[in-house]
Amino acid sequence: AQSVSQHNHHVILSEAASLELGCNYSYGGTVNLFWYVQYPGQHLQLLLKYFSGDPLVKGIKGFEAEFIKSKFSFNLRKPSVQWSDTAEYFCAVFNQAGTALIFGKGTTLSVSS
Amino acid sequence: DTGVSQNPRHKITKRGQNVTFRCDPISEHNRLYWYRQTLGQGPEFLTYFQNEAQLEKSRLLSDRFSAERPKGSFSTLEIQRTEQGDSAMYLCASSLTNRGPSNEKLFFGSGTQLSVL
Repeated sequence: AQSVSQHNHHVILSEAASLELGCNYSYGGTVNLFWYVQYPGQHLQLLLKYFSGDPLVKGIKGFEAEFIKSKFSFNLRKPSVQWSDTAEYFCAVFNQAGTALIFGKGTTLSVSS
Repeated sequence: DTGVSQNPRHKITKRGQNVTFRCDPISEHNRLYWYRQTLGQGPEFLTYFQNEAQLEKSRLLSDRFSAERPKGSFSTLEIQRTEQGDSAMYLCASSLTNRGPSNEKLFFGSGTQLSVL
């Protein structure tokens, strides 16, 4: 069964610092990969997604992620974080059957101003 | 508001009681999902519906759990004989899928926080 690993449980950064959150998935076939974000007190929302094509995917709010098939990775990046990026970030992949989105445990990002 | 709506937002119950949650998906979304999330974990898949048909259930969904989507619109999740381990946030999500899962974006509700005393 597919699984998703997020290596960083809690990341603390100052504003303007660069961000990279790690995500590795277990399945070696065709994958559909997602990053979701949950701001404090809000529901989960989609940041970006990868299905095929250009492995560098751009999402909302200046986030991007790079799909590296050889490393089974889909790391999230942002060149310069803002205080408003404080949130919990979840990497996710569809299961083989394409019927369920499997989430990682999440990374809490705290940005200090 | 045209997002996914979940009721109630919070539910406190005593062990052994039954509880029922409701989810109203985005209108015309044909897929509906239930997830459970506990502190420090990501959402865990419970079950999903394609229209009114329940097509997949996770092993997490014990026989005390039942979900329905009778008319392919709103859905209910019932937990019978609640246990303290059922305490969690129960999330509902919906999507519109015409071309298979590869282009699927899930829209999540704010969840129902269940506390079993």
